Amino acid sequence: LAKTTQPISMDSYEGQEVNITCSHNNIATNDYITWYQQFPSQGPRFIIQGYKTKVTNEVASLFIPADRKSSTLSLPRVSLSDTAVYYCLVGDIAAGNKLTFGGGTRVLVKP
Amino acid sequence: GAVVSQHPSRVICKSGTSVKIECRSLDFQATTMFWYRQFPKKSLMLMATSNEGSKATYEQGVEKDKFLINHASLTLSTLTVTSAHPEDSSFYICSARDQGKNTEAFFGQGTRLTVV
Repeated sequence: LAKTTQPISMDSYEGQEVNITCSHNNIATNDYITWYQQFPSQGPRFIIQGYKTKVTNEVASLFIPADRKSSTLSLPRVSLSDTAVYYCLVGDIAAGNKLTFGGGTRVLVKP
Repeated sequence: GAVVSQHPSRVICKSGTSVKIECRSLDFQATTMFWYRQFPKKSLMLMATSNEGSKATYEQGVEKDKFLINHASLTLSTLTVTSAHPEDSSFYICSARDQGKNTEAFFGQGTRLTVV
């Protein structure tokens, strides 16, 4: 399982764009990159998943360079409710494969 | 979208008793489910992989006789914390993927266990 490294914490202000970079130097060919958001006392919630280049959905964008050794989650125009812990996970997405969590990034959005 | 539901959301029990936590996939089938434990301000730690119709696979350091896992159907896995002690107090979370699709994993809302 590819190990991931993320910043421990980040502060931002309402309306700003937040970019969180995750390093995964030993990512395997079959591995996908998935980001989850977790609020206190709740289970993680899926944000976005990608394999290469750029993926965008209604809440975030995911940028993956050609070598796939890192990825950046971009949250546009954050609000106070985006304060949470964000986890970058790397692994094969086949149903039976386990997901191992790294430390995550604690994002605090200030007014 | 796919939903994974846990029950109960919180439970308080006395030391020495056992507690059962249920994890259900509501609109998909899952031959494999995963159980995690999370301590305050820490990341999720994988405890075991629950396999429908067979024994669970436990991560290193997790006592299988302490944390009994049963996966009797394609939509239900249970975790029983046996002879609970205060150090077992934690947030327990389950996860599952739709076995028919290679997609993201879905997580339950978690169960807060407090052993007094």
